[in-house]
Amino acid sequence: SAVISQKPSRDICQRGTSLTIQCQVDSQVTMMFWYRQQPGQSLTLIATANQGSEATYESGFVIDKFPISRPNLTFSTLTVSNMSPEDSSIYLCSVAQGAHYEQYFGPGTRLTVT
Amino acid sequence: SQQGEEDPQALSIQEGENATMNCSYKTSINNLQWYRQNSGRGLVHLILIRSNEREKHSGRLRVTLDTSKKSSSLLITASRAADTASYFCATAVGGGGFKTIFGAGTRLFVKA
Repeated sequence: SAVISQKPSRDICQRGTSLTIQCQVDSQVTMMFWYRQQPGQSLTLIATANQGSEATYESGFVIDKFPISRPNLTFSTLTVSNMSPEDSSIYLCSVAQGAHYEQYFGPGTRLTVT
Repeated sequence: SQQGEEDPQALSIQEGENATMNCSYKTSINNLQWYRQNSGRGLVHLILIRSNEREKHSGRLRVTLDTSKKSSSLLITASRAADTASYFCATAVGGGGFKTIFGAGTRLFVKA
């Protein structure tokens, strides 16, 4: 399975600022995803970021708020823009691999907005 | 939006007992995956079952899938205190595209 790392592991940010989260994979993968997990909740898909195409956002998430880059097959970034306390969550990147698209997750970035 | 619903929302059992968690979903799927998440930590992939499979085993885990009822179950046998965690089912949907949608999860507490 892919080994996925994220930076930063956690951050405390002021409202109105932006944070860019990096996701690095140890192997080339086509399909990469960004999820959000609010405290005590399940995971919600933010967007799909496949290399070579624009990111596809889920309902309730927009590019202006969560711009994503996917410059190559091993790396992606998610920016949380103009943050508010409601953006306090764990943000996780994920990749799908294998013939049956098993999905693996990074350790997450715990974001607190004050 | 979440695809699946899991029940129970919370389950408390004694060490050595079996734990069964259920997952229901709404649309056709390509596969269904189960994950474990220890408090505040990352997700651990447990098992994937394809839409044309009915049962799968991995160690103390047994997963069943009933596509006619749009439901799956995860059985953990001979539970241990270390099994205490949240368990999520996730369904892979989409034809040409692909994405995985998570259920609400079951919190399992195994008492030593």
